[in-house]
Amino acid sequence: EDQVTQSPEALRLQEGESSSLNCSYTVSGLRGLFWYRQDPGKGPEFLFTLYSAGEEKEKERLKATLTKKESFLHITAPKPEDSATYLCAARGNTGKLIFGQGTTLQVKP
Amino acid sequence: DTEVTQTPKHLVMGMTNKKSLKCEQHMGHRAMYWYKQKAKKPPELMFVYSYEKLSINESVPSRFSPECPNSSLLNLHLHALQPEDSALYLCASSPGTANSPLHFGNGTRLTVT
Repeated sequence: EDQVTQSPEALRLQEGESSSLNCSYTVSGLRGLFWYRQDPGKGPEFLFTLYSAGEEKEKERLKATLTKKESFLHITAPKPEDSATYLCAARGNTGKLIFGQGTTLQVKP
Repeated sequence: DTEVTQTPKHLVMGMTNKKSLKCEQHMGHRAMYWYKQKAKKPPELMFVYSYEKLSINESVPSRFSPECPNSSLLNLHLHALQPEDSALYLCASSPGTANSPLHFGNGTRLTVT
């Protein structure tokens, strides 16, 4: 059965303190691994798509990487405005998008 | 600003009411989706339309009735809902290929009293 697990559930950082969020996936025939950011009361905002192991994508302070079993979202020198819930999702041969439970990030000034 | 527009932003309805949620996208996407999201949980798939035809219904109760009038519009008709149906209802669209991301609207916050 396809599965996506995110850790940690919650993460508190000081402004400028870099860290990583983990997304472990078990998906048959990965078609894409997606990262989203969700602010309270809003819909998920698309960040990145990764397709194959070794791929990396960057946007401002965020960098997403992919291995055959995991994806990481690295946050470098975070700012308070990076506080949000980060969702990872994977789609395999079934075509269904499987979401992880999310990591809620709080960055304190 | 999101390219998927949902109305209304908030909706309060009684258990005997009938109401509709609306979603619009102008990105030329061929697949449209309804998701339900409860607090502190990930989105849960309800329905998928592909080329204006219903392709997936995730065993959703019949009090939720989707409709896709054309490739840009998606509606969700609500009737005789229960308080536990209160949630954030999200619409999304995608080009329709397996490796393309979904683009979400900002949702309708539904409260059933």
